Amino acid sequence: TQLLEQSPQFLSIQEGENLTVYCNSSSVFSSLQWYRQEPGEGPVLLVTVVTGGEVKKLKRLTFQFGDARKDSSLHITAAQPGDTGLYLCAGVGRRGSNYKLTFGKGTLLTVNP
Amino acid sequence: NAGVTQTPKFQVLKTGQSMTLQCAQDMNHEYMSWYRQDPGMGLRLIHYSVGAGITDQGEVPNGYNVSRSTTEDFPLRLLSAAPSQTSVYFCASSSRPGQVREKLFFGSGTQLSVL
Repeated sequence: TQLLEQSPQFLSIQEGENLTVYCNSSSVFSSLQWYRQEPGEGPVLLVTVVTGGEVKKLKRLTFQFGDARKDSSLHITAAQPGDTGLYLCAGVGRRGSNYKLTFGKGTLLTVNP
Repeated sequence: NAGVTQTPKFQVLKTGQSMTLQCAQDMNHEYMSWYRQDPGMGLRLIHYSVGAGITDQGEVPNGYNVSRSTTEDFPLRLLSAAPSQTSVYFCASSSRPGQVREKLFFGSGTQLSVL
């Protein structure tokens, strides 16, 4: 069974601060996805990283896939209240001839004005 | 752009009652799935379908039934609701299931309480 551990579970910061959340596993994944979920809504895909060491930027958000493709991080620069939400990582891993999506439990981020 | 539409948004049931959660997508996706989300447990896959007439179990299928008669619709049925089924349910669809760049589109969820 492939498991994804996210840390921290909860994070409360002030507007303008920087933060990093982590997604770790002992398993290798073919790709790693990050979703953001706002209260009362479903998750929305932010990014997919595929290559070990890959870095993707989405405005103030920077996503990195570990060299060994076992872990990923999300760094937010100068956080804003609009960044508040549940951040979920999801790993795409092999299951036989198919791929399987495994979700972490999420990091709940609150950015206070 | 409707995307994935779930109804109802909220539902309260008594133990033993039955109900159907509705899910429809207008993106012509072959793959559709149901997840439940519980505090501290993350998203867990209940059932999924790779096309009309084809369904399969996920990791937590007990107590739930599904069918897929059309590409657009994928209802989730609770035959005899139990308090353990209190949760937020999400329907999702994908255009690239089982691929490295799979992208799931989620509905806005149904919050179900079983008393």
